[in-house]
Amino acid sequence: DIQLTQSPSFLSASVGDRVTITCRASQGISSYLAWYQQKPGEVPKLLIYAASTLESGVPSRFSGSGSGTEFTLTVSSLQPEDFATYYCQQVNGFPLTFGGGTKVEVK
Amino acid sequence: DVQLVESGEGLAQPGGSLRLSCAASGFTFSSYAMSWVRQTPGKGLEWVSIIGSDGGGIQYADSVKGRFTISRDNSKNSLYLQLTNLSAEDTALYYCVKGRLPKPPETRHFDYWGQGTPVTVSS
Repeated sequence: DIQLTQSPSFLSASVGDRVTITCRASQGISSYLAWYQQKPGEVPKLLIYAASTLESGVPSRFSGSGSGTEFTLTVSSLQPEDFATYYCQQVNGFPLTFGGGTKVEVK
Repeated sequence: DVQLVESGEGLAQPGGSLRLSCAASGFTFSSYAMSWVRQTPGKGLEWVSIIGSDGGGIQYADSVKGRFTISRDNSKNSLYLQLTNLSAEDTALYYCVKGRLPKPPETRHFDYWGQGTPVTVSS
């Protein structure tokens, strides 16, 4: 199985900060990676797929990059509504797997 | 609007069974692969199973293989998950999720999620 390791697990940041989250895969997955955002009490929301393609309706301050085994999700200027938990997911092969999550908290 | 509404929540004893259902609307259900994903506070998100648009292409997570069965009825726009030989580790919120596009790998990106149905396994 492909393991996904996210870092950091917790991140304290302020509104306006540039935030970067890393997801490392235990083996190469090309660009078969997605990112989700989950706010408390809500279901996960697809932000990015194919490592760098923004899902429709997602603000452009979100961006994704990487291929192979290392990927990043960047929020260029953190907004109040961005405080949430973020998960990466690999879709290269079965079983599909998610990272452990990164919780972005108010500093 | 796309809607996914799960049902079948319940409390089961270890070794017991449950059947989860998901009623889909707002899209051409028969054109999309569907999955089940579960979430626990301690383990985060865990993909459980996927089924192709025509009922083929079934895959399971190792943790549920041989115990859970995914199925669908396109005439009823419904997705199902039969859970058997349940253990405490299966306690979670179970989400019905829709694949983003009809063709892989986009079938494995999830663009719509139901609100989830809780499953508790306890004696």
